[in-house]
Amino acid sequence: ETGVTQSPTHLIKTRGQQVTLRCSSQSGHNTVSWYQQALGQGPQFIFQYYREEENGRGNFPPRFSGLQFPNYSSELNVNALELDDSALYLCASSLEPGSVYGYTFGSGTRLTVV
Amino acid sequence: QKEVEQNSGPLSVPEGAIASLNCTYSDRGSQSFFWYRQYSGKSPELIMFIYSNGDKEDGRFTAQLNKASQYVSLLIRDSQPSDSATYLCAVMVSSARQLTFGSGTQLTVLP
Repeated sequence: ETGVTQSPTHLIKTRGQQVTLRCSSQSGHNTVSWYQQALGQGPQFIFQYYREEENGRGNFPPRFSGLQFPNYSSELNVNALELDDSALYLCASSLEPGSVYGYTFGSGTRLTVV
Repeated sequence: QKEVEQNSGPLSVPEGAIASLNCTYSDRGSQSFFWYRQYSGKSPELIMFIYSNGDKEDGRFTAQLNKASQYVSLLIRDSQPSDSATYLCAVMVSSARQLTFGSGTQLTVLP
């Protein structure tokens, strides 16, 4: 059984640029959630995808967008990058939305915006 | 008021002692509760989940839930230096289907 994998592991971008982060869900998991974790803070919910449809969104602007593919892998896109977007971006997969067994996190993508 | 609150610490305990980590939440619709461990620079790792009032034990870890008081705790018995990490409390409101995290408690176990 494979776990959740994310790519790339680290990324440096310039303010105003666009970035795409990728996530492969754990085998058997059809739900992917994305979180942003600033230094010293807990993860903040960005959005969730279930069976290729957005299934909930946190308090993030529209320049944060996503996709889920038929194999349940997912992408997070961020347009017009701002300095405050610098954070650890975490992808988590689960058996279903709201699973009582919780979410399994990938190793994250560290994004630095300069 | 934050939805999920934890003491940020840092909390220091000597090796072999019991570490007690606490968490309160505001949404009475919360149904599932999780403790994640996060080592510096790494991603969160699920330690335990609980959804019924009372205690749930798994090895050296015990999660305690009191829905009336909106309180969740994690006890780590026989603490080891390898337990030094940030512990994140997370809550799921089934209607929202998302995990809401606290800001974490930093635990240091001193040899």
